Amino acid sequence: QVQLVQSGAEVKKPGASVKVSCKASGYTFTDYYMHWVRQAPGQGLEWMGVINPSGDIITYAQNFQGRVTMTRDTSTSTVYMELSSLKSEDTAVYYCTKETGAFDLWGQGTMVTVSS
Amino acid sequence: QAGLTQPPSVSKGLRQTATLTCTGNSNNVGNQGAAWVQQHQGHPPKLLSYRNNNRPSGISERLSASRSGNTASLTISGLQPEDEANYYCSAWDSSLSAWVFGGGTKLTVL
Repeated sequence: QVQLVQSGAEVKKPGASVKVSCKASGYTFTDYYMHWVRQAPGQGLEWMGVINPSGDIITYAQNFQGRVTMTRDTSTSTVYMELSSLKSEDTAVYYCTKETGAFDLWGQGTMVTVSS
Repeated sequence: QAGLTQPPSVSKGLRQTATLTCTGNSNNVGNQGAAWVQQHQGHPPKLLSYRNNNRPSGISERLSASRSGNTASLTISGLQPEDEANYYCSAWDSSLSAWVFGGGTKLTVL
């Protein structure tokens, strides 16, 4: 079954970091780029960045430069997104999504709550 | 980063036709075209159309997409209750070297 399975919900304090994982299965992991997109409560979708399977092509959205790090582990077909210096405005659902010219497969989402 | 422009809401009656629009510029929609995703409350997005009018397998033929200049459109005919959802367009922006999304359109089926 082709799917992306993400790690569970997180609650973090302001200033902390969070690392979300996304495990791919059912397709050749090394053939496709993986993106991260977030959605604040009641808001739209916001692109965060992309990593290629070999990990040597990584692009971050300007809004997250310096705070986000995307990595991958090809041995487990897993990508990771770490966001640091968390603020309350980072409270959102974070999605990984596979790209084939468009975002054709999405993870179930990981809720990250930033609260003191 | 600049995004794409979508009307916040569209309302149509059951079995009617709805057309959703997405306006960008020559660096995104006008260049690469747009993709459309549907999102029901509490669920992840689902791809409906990409590169203007390519539908993934399993997507209803009631949906069709097109582009005219810098504006992409998604037309849903024979509206059903399950079509009530939020719809987002997206495109690669070559000047920003970033993907951009529209703000989303909430489609209500009356």
